[in-house]
Amino acid sequence: EDQVTQSPEALRLQEGESSSLNCSYTVSGLRGLFWYRQDPGKGPEFLFTLYSAGEEKEKERLKATLTKKESFLHITAPKPEDSATYLCAVSLSSNTGKLIFGQGTTLQVKP
Amino acid sequence: ETGVTQTPRHLVMGMTNKKSLKCEQHLGHNAMYWYKQSAKKPLELMFVYSLEERVENNSVPSRFSPECPNSSHLFLHLHTLQPEDSALYLCASSQEGTTETQYFGPGTRLLVL
Repeated sequence: EDQVTQSPEALRLQEGESSSLNCSYTVSGLRGLFWYRQDPGKGPEFLFTLYSAGEEKEKERLKATLTKKESFLHITAPKPEDSATYLCAVSLSSNTGKLIFGQGTTLQVKP
Repeated sequence: ETGVTQTPRHLVMGMTNKKSLKCEQHLGHNAMYWYKQSAKKPLELMFVYSLEERVENNSVPSRFSPECPNSSHLFLHLHTLQPEDSALYLCASSQEGTTETQYFGPGTRLLVL
């Protein structure tokens, strides 16, 4: 069964304290891996797409990496405005229209 | 308007009511999606429309009925819902054949009494 698991479920950081979120996946054939940010009461906001192992993408304090079994979202020197739920999703080579989501990691950054 | 818009943003309905959710995308995409997001659960794909044709229906109860009149508009018609259908309903769109990244609307928060 195709599955996406995110850890930790919740993460509390002090402002400036760098950390990483994990997304591990077990799928029959990976086409792409997506990271989204979701604020309370809002829709997910697209961050990154990764397609192949070894690929990395950066945006401000965020950096996403991909291996054959997992992806990491590294947050460097986070600020309170980075507080949100971060969602990971994969698309399959057999069904490009379908995203399988993990349950998300809720990040709280305290000043 | 830009991106993906959804109306209404909040909806309260009784179990015998009939209502509709509306989604409009301004991105020129050719695929649209309905998702359900319940507390503490991953997003669940409900329906996929590609080029205005339904290509996937993830075993969704018949009390949810989608409609895609053109590539920019998507509706979700609701009737005789159950309290467990209370959730955030999200619409998304993408351009198939390219990056296929899905862009989401703000969602409709539905409460069924």
